[in-house]
Amino acid sequence: DAGVIQSPRHEVTEMGQEVTLRCKPISGHDYLFWYRQTMMRGLELLIYFNNNVPIDDSGMPEDRFSAKMPNASFSTLKIQPSEPRDSAVYFCASSLQGFYEQYFGPGTRLTVT
Amino acid sequence: KNQVEQSPQSLIILEGKNCTLQCNYTVSPFSNLRWYKQDTGRGPVSLTIMTFSENTKSNGRYTATLDADTKQSSLHITASQLSDSASYICVVSASPWNDYKLSFGAGTTVTVRA
Repeated sequence: DAGVIQSPRHEVTEMGQEVTLRCKPISGHDYLFWYRQTMMRGLELLIYFNNNVPIDDSGMPEDRFSAKMPNASFSTLKIQPSEPRDSAVYFCASSLQGFYEQYFGPGTRLTVT
Repeated sequence: KNQVEQSPQSLIILEGKNCTLQCNYTVSPFSNLRWYKQDTGRGPVSLTIMTFSENTKSNGRYTATLDADTKQSSLHITASQLSDSASYICVVSASPWNDYKLSFGAGTTVTVRA
């Protein structure tokens, strides 16, 4: 099993640019989660999907953030426009049973200058 | 105020020694508590998950304890190895019908030295 796959692994962009992060969950997992991790705030849940449907997006910081899951094997997290305070590591995770046994991807380190 | 407090923030131990990490929480109601290990540059990996009725759970050299009455948990690492150097994160979940509301601790950074 390849595990959760995220791309890109590193992203450097300028303020105001659009950023798209990608995630491929483990095959057969019906829950997908997006997290953000910073030194100041630690891990934060942004949004999660069940069977491709967004269930709770209350953790999404602003309207500049949006997430989609067009099918069971792909999800995107988009930031438009990006700001320096969005700099963080963004993790995607998937699971079979909601929040039990979540499997995390390697993360995308985003730097907005 | 964070509902999950971990201590110490960081610690350094010699290879082969034991150590214990603490997690205190105020999350209520309570569903389960998890300990994750996060290596530098990697995503967190689940070590243990404990529900209200479980007091102890082991995963190899890792042993987690839970006291739901005092809302405290600990993670004990036995005979530490260099590969145990990582950040350990305590995560608490509220009641099952609201299980997606997770509260994360800030983590304890463990450095194991030869």
